[in-house]
Amino acid sequence: SQQGEEDPQALSIQEGENATMNCSYKTSINNLQWYRQNSGRGLVHLILIRSNEREKHSGRLRVTLDTSKKSSSLLITASRAADTASYFCATLPGAAGNKLTFGGGTRVLVKP
Amino acid sequence: KAGVTQTPRYLIKTRGQQVTLSCSPISGHRSVSWYQQTPGQGLQFLFEYFSETQRNKGNFPGRFSGRQFSNSRSEMNVSTLELGDSALYLCASSPGQGEQPQHFGDGTRLSIL
Repeated sequence: SQQGEEDPQALSIQEGENATMNCSYKTSINNLQWYRQNSGRGLVHLILIRSNEREKHSGRLRVTLDTSKKSSSLLITASRAADTASYFCATLPGAAGNKLTFGGGTRVLVKP
Repeated sequence: KAGVTQTPRYLIKTRGQQVTLSCSPISGHRSVSWYQQTPGQGLQFLFEYFSETQRNKGNFPGRFSGRQFSNSRSEMNVSTLELGDSALYLCASSPGQGEQPQHFGDGTRLSIL
């Protein structure tokens, strides 16, 4: 079963707008990661945030983590058509090796 | 540096057959994990191998098995295939057990007829 839920399940925006998606999880974690998947391809790692961090930036990406609410958000600023993809959050509990637990994903469509 | 390579990319099998999928990790990476992706269940962890030993296992029946070779390459096998095994099977590698992030291949698309 999946660790948590992602919200919304789908998102459609115009190029240049910001896209925000949320992820909730159930158990305590060591870190939380966001991945992108283009249609028919593998997952591409975007950003990792550790449980003792609250916010992290990478280029046009901003991730927040609230461990008290067991939730995270991913913000993509100034979106581009190339950002069209599915986005997944994945959690890694402590002492779990490499066993990632994924959310259901958010499908993002960026219209030119 | 070459990425994670999975072969074959596409595979069609019939019920009852067995299948073997292959994964070559990034050079120097010693941990390999496998995931199953379906529209209904999403992404689910199958197992993780490190130093030729299975370190973690997901909640899948015994028909799903794997192994890792001394060069870190990994194979997974599914026996007595069922229609529900149709999925994208993804392999990921990382330098060591527990080291993040994991790097994913493009997967093997398995279709069961």
